[in-house]
Amino acid sequence: DAGVTQSPTHLIKTRGQHVTLRCSPISGHKSVSWYQQVLGQGPQFIFQYYEKEERGRGNFPDRFSARQFPNYSSELNVNALLLGDSALYLCASSFSRGAAYEQYFGPGTRLTVT
Amino acid sequence: QKEVEQNSGPLSVPEGAIASLNCTYSDRGSQSFFWYRQYSGKSPELIMSIYSNGDKEDGRFTAQLNKASQYVSLLIRDSQPSDSATYLCAVNAGGTSYGKLTFGQGTILTVHP
Repeated sequence: DAGVTQSPTHLIKTRGQHVTLRCSPISGHKSVSWYQQVLGQGPQFIFQYYEKEERGRGNFPDRFSARQFPNYSSELNVNALLLGDSALYLCASSFSRGAAYEQYFGPGTRLTVT
Repeated sequence: QKEVEQNSGPLSVPEGAIASLNCTYSDRGSQSFFWYRQYSGKSPELIMSIYSNGDKEDGRFTAQLNKASQYVSLLIRDSQPSDSATYLCAVNAGGTSYGKLTFGQGTILTVHP
């Protein structure tokens, strides 16, 4: 079975630009969570979406937004990019939204802001 | 105090030895606990999950949870050079934080031949 897929793999953007990252969860999984990982740190939670609704939000500015589609795929949007947004963006899928459900990560999108 | 703290690394063990990775968490109501392995330049890979006090074994890996002490650990027996990676402890507090995993900073493990 296919795992979590993310696109693009790498992306280079300029400060002030906008970026859209995409994620397709494991088949049958209804929950998607987004994380940001900067070098040398553990991933930081950005959002969780379940059944197309935002179910949780981390401590990130409003420049970050996301949505989930009827097929459970998801997009993460970041506006007005800053140098500090350079990171590995990870999507994780789980069967449902409860704490007991394991989250499986995709390969990530490495974003570089110059 | 950080929400999830892991023992400082890097940790270096010889091939065949037991590697011990430790993690403490601050939210006493935390419900579920996970260990991820992350190779350099790759994404985290789930290797163990544990939900109740005690030990859980899966092959060469054993996770241990002590909720009273707010402590979770991962033992890797018969360590192999292929186990060299960063190990991330993740905690889900449950409640309204359904999907939020809080990660430690990671412990770098090196297994030398």
